[in-house]
Amino acid sequence: GAGVSQSPSNKVTEKGKDVELRCDPISGHTALYWYRQSLGQGLEFLIYFQGNSAPDKSGLPSDRFSAERTGGSVSTLTIQRTQQEDSAVYLCASSLGGWYTGELFFGEGSRLTVL
Amino acid sequence: QKEVEQDPGPLSVPEGAIVSLNCTYSNSAFQYFMWYRQYSRKGPELLMYTYSSGNKEDGRFTAQLNKASQYVSLLIRDSQPSDSATYLCAMSAGSGGGADGLTFGKGTHLIIQP
Repeated sequence: GAGVSQSPSNKVTEKGKDVELRCDPISGHTALYWYRQSLGQGLEFLIYFQGNSAPDKSGLPSDRFSAERTGGSVSTLTIQRTQQEDSAVYLCASSLGGWYTGELFFGEGSRLTVL
Repeated sequence: QKEVEQDPGPLSVPEGAIVSLNCTYSNSAFQYFMWYRQYSRKGPELLMYTYSSGNKEDGRFTAQLNKASQYVSLLIRDSQPSDSATYLCAMSAGSGGGADGLTFGKGTHLIIQP
């Protein structure tokens, strides 16, 4: 497809379980971002990839969160031992990279509910 | 104090009204300013982008930037029900990406009543 694709679109899990969220960016986009959007909290930066490397992981809220990107394309965000406060919409975005001017293209998000 | 302040609303106006959405910021290093529109259960999409003080117009939308006073506004003329969405301002210091790439406001929920 032409846009950023995320899966699953909705995920309900029990507290303590691990979840994996997937992002397929726009072809050719070297920069990839994960954000978290909680109700009333705006977009919270999690992690940024340039190619396969993650020069900035400063937004990951705890060591239960990890992310990887392979082949300069698909990325997965993994949350281990989920907690109720992890419930949010996880948004992935990609951009052409290079000198960044803010034109991010977002997917529709993965809505995570932890019971 | 947050770097970017934005009134979350909701802001409800009748169809055809002029709407002004505002953000103030405290980081003088911000150089690039964007407005994203987010429909319910969708990802944000870039609406407008500006980097110089003054007005930038695109159809019914005008982005206003005042770097001296550190605020940015989005003006919507002849508002339509299809404009009902959450509008997020975003700013960048242009440092190349990562956490410095974009700082978002919390978004203003706008409702246009038919």
